[in-house]
Amino acid sequence: ETGVTQSPTHLIKTRGQQVTLRCSSQSGHNTVSWYQQALGQGPQFIFQYYREEENGRGNFPPRFSGLQFPNYSSELNVNALELDDSALYLCASSLDGQGALKTQYFGPGTRLLVL
Amino acid sequence: AQSVTQLDSQVPVFEEAPVELRCNYSSSVSVYLFWYVQYPNQGLQLLLKYLSGSTLVKGINGFEAEFNKSQTSFHLRKPSVHISDTAEYFCAVIPAGGGNKLTFGTGTQLKVEL
Repeated sequence: ETGVTQSPTHLIKTRGQQVTLRCSSQSGHNTVSWYQQALGQGPQFIFQYYREEENGRGNFPPRFSGLQFPNYSSELNVNALELDDSALYLCASSLDGQGALKTQYFGPGTRLLVL
Repeated sequence: AQSVTQLDSQVPVFEEAPVELRCNYSSSVSVYLFWYVQYPNQGLQLLLKYLSGSTLVKGINGFEAEFNKSQTSFHLRKPSVHISDTAEYFCAVIPAGGGNKLTFGTGTQLKVEL
């Protein structure tokens, strides 16, 4: 059983640029969630995808968008990068359903620095 | 909406001493509760979870937590810590019914000293 993987591990961009982060879900999981963790803070929910459709969104502007592919891998896209977008971006996979199926398993994260 | 409070931002403790990391939550609906650990420059690893049933749950690495519904708490404990337990610990909740968003606390930095 493979765990959640993310790429790249680190990224440096300049203000105004666009970035794409990638995530591969744990084997068998059909739901992926993305979180932003600013330095010294807890993770904040960006959005979740289930069966290639957005299935819930946190308080993030539309320039944060995502995709989920038929193999359940996922992308997080951020347009018009701002300095405050500098953070660790975490992907988590789970199964859709109740109880233990709601448990989310996290990847190692992508650290984004915007200059 | 849910919220999670971790009052202790840092907890220093000597090796082999017991430790308790506090977590309180607020929610108008039933929730599931989780503790995650984050080692430096890494993602989050699930320590344990409470879904239903026995209020005392055991997790990995010798950690356990007790769910107290009346006090809306889910404190994490370990009877004897090791240097390798030094990490950031996050408490989180998710609605037991509809809803798919994990809400995290701000974390507690556990520093184990010799």
